Amino acid sequence: DTGVSQNPRHKITKRGQNVTFRCDPISEHNRLYWYRQTLGQGPEFLTYFQNEAQLEKSRLLSDRFSAERPKGSFSTLEIQRTEQGDSAMYLCASSWLGPSTGELFFGEGSRLTVL
Amino acid sequence: KNEVEQSPQNLTAQEGEFITINCSYSVGISALHWLQQHPGGGIVSLFMLSSGKKKHGRLIATINIQEKHSSLHITASHPRDSAVYICAVGGRETSGSRLTFGEGTQLTVNP
Repeated sequence: DTGVSQNPRHKITKRGQNVTFRCDPISEHNRLYWYRQTLGQGPEFLTYFQNEAQLEKSRLLSDRFSAERPKGSFSTLEIQRTEQGDSAMYLCASSWLGPSTGELFFGEGSRLTVL
Repeated sequence: KNEVEQSPQNLTAQEGEFITINCSYSVGISALHWLQQHPGGGIVSLFMLSSGKKKHGRLIATINIQEKHSSLHITASHPRDSAVYICAVGGRETSGSRLTFGEGTQLTVNP
């Protein structure tokens, strides 16, 4: 297993466009997390899946954001009608149990720049 | 006041120095994580601990649950240790499903 994989690594888009990021977690991990990180700040929680069920969403996740994990394996994070404030690094992480009990493995992140 | 606070925010050291990074938190937790982030974004988990002390190579992490405080120590620091070190907590008063992160400590080790 090569670890958590995220694509694309970098995305530059114009304001108003839609973007989609993909995360492939470590295969046996049942939990998958999305975080957002802006420059100079620690990551902020966006949402989390256990298998295919989305169990929690942050208030940061406006209705322009949607995440899925259709078969309990890879996940996608879509941002519709992007705004300049969406520019950030989007991080995916996976674990076998929750982060209170299981080690988290992070992907390299997908950096979004909205012009 | 943030739920997780780290100090210092920035730290510059000479190669070989002993380094300490501190983390204080205000919520009840069941685990604390120390993470390392290199330029370009990738985050690596260094330690997950809920009590006592853990050691891995030149890295040592300690936690005092009563004082809600953890420290990360690096012995014999090396320029390749230069990175952002992030403390994160997961636990009872936040959702058990996610972590709350500190803002990170930027460490630069000069040769």
